[in-house]
Amino acid sequence: DADVTQTPRNRITKTGKRIMLECSQTKGHDRMYWYRQDPGLGLRLIYYSFDVKDINKGEISDGYSVSRQAQAKFSLSLESAIPNQTALYFCATSEWTGSEQFFGPGTRLTVL
Amino acid sequence: TQLLEQSPQFLSIQEGENLTVYCNSSSVFSSLQWYRQEPGEGPVLLVTVVTGGEVKKLKRLTFQFGDARKDSSLHITAAQPGDTGLYLCAGVITGANNLFFGTGTRLTVIP
Repeated sequence: DADVTQTPRNRITKTGKRIMLECSQTKGHDRMYWYRQDPGLGLRLIYYSFDVKDINKGEISDGYSVSRQAQAKFSLSLESAIPNQTALYFCATSEWTGSEQFFGPGTRLTVL
Repeated sequence: TQLLEQSPQFLSIQEGENLTVYCNSSSVFSSLQWYRQEPGEGPVLLVTVVTGGEVKKLKRLTFQFGDARKDSSLHITAAQPGDTGLYLCAGVITGANNLFFGTGTRLTVIP
């Protein structure tokens, strides 16, 4: 079984809809991250969490919110989706800041 | 403006050729990682470099961290179709809490 799973894998939605992307991990790591990937821009950090009570904004947090329900679960919400949020979204975990990050398979989100 | 710029953005070469991918910044990093991402999957770590001037080899891949720890390069010898993918560098700025990713280099090796 995969160490980091994401649901859904693909989602098409309309402008203004609320969307939740979910991430679960079995690595036992405290640190979890949400990234957005756009062509030519690499990966940009949306939010990160160092434990259940610690949530931090990344480079591009506007329009997004997160919830860390447990050590193993970290969800990303788009309260009111807009077309420029169309992208590939990745969840990742790590033991500490500079250590290897383990990524989920990604969620391809399209906002019409 | 991206903190880490990679060049080239796209690279298409014939099997057997050599290539170098660059990762540059004006910031100093305490460590730098290289990842490879294949279609439909998340990035997977290839190597971490932490010391200025450090060189690491992974079979046909050679990674170098710049002396001033502001840049890095990835050299592939005798590229094979299995090397095809998106190569991403990522670094931790000294004192920061997170990893910054580069813009990526998409490599295609043609059989």
